[in-house]
Amino acid sequence: AQSVSQHNHHVILSEAASLELGCNYSYGGTVNLFWYVQYPGQHLQLLLKYFSGDPLVKGIKGFEAEFIKSKFSFNLRKPSVQWSDTAEYFCARGGYNKLIFGAGTRLAVHP
Amino acid sequence: GAVVSQHPSRVICKSGTSVKIECRSLDFQATTMFWYRQFPKQSLMLMATSNEGSKATYEQGVEKDKFLINHASLTLSTLTVTSAHPEDSSFYICSASRGRAEAFFGQGTRLTVV
Repeated sequence: AQSVSQHNHHVILSEAASLELGCNYSYGGTVNLFWYVQYPGQHLQLLLKYFSGDPLVKGIKGFEAEFIKSKFSFNLRKPSVQWSDTAEYFCARGGYNKLIFGAGTRLAVHP
Repeated sequence: GAVVSQHPSRVICKSGTSVKIECRSLDFQATTMFWYRQFPKQSLMLMATSNEGSKATYEQGVEKDKFLINHASLTLSTLTVTSAHPEDSSFYICSASRGRAEAFFGQGTRLTVV
């Protein structure tokens, strides 16, 4: 069965630190990959997505992710985090119209 | 981006009663809607997929008689938790899709069964 793994469950950073959140997906099936963010008390928002083409994907709010097929990975990065990036981040893959989510990574950014 | 509205955002009900949650796509026609459940500190688990005018497809382990899904139009899907029990307390989230694997999420409904 298709799956998504996020290995970092909790990450704590200071402002201006660089961020990289890991995401690995299982082999097989359509590889449409997403990163969603859920700010406290708010609904899920799409940060970025990859369907095909350039493996380096730019998203909103300064986030980017790199699709590395050989490693089955789609890690999320941001060069300098802000306090407002405190949230939970979910990696997901889409079979046609159906999303499978990773367990999420809770990021806390301290001023 | 497209807007998906979910109502109510919070509901408290007595054990044994039924609760209906609505999911509306406000500015687009959603060919498919999805219902997820999120347990505390866990990821979203897909419960069912519904296409307008047809029966919902439930994921393994989800009781279709317990969680009734109706997708009567291209802009509205409802989830009814029947005979709710405390273990049904959770955060329920809907999403709506208008194309190739792109889904927009509602703000979620926190259900508490007392």
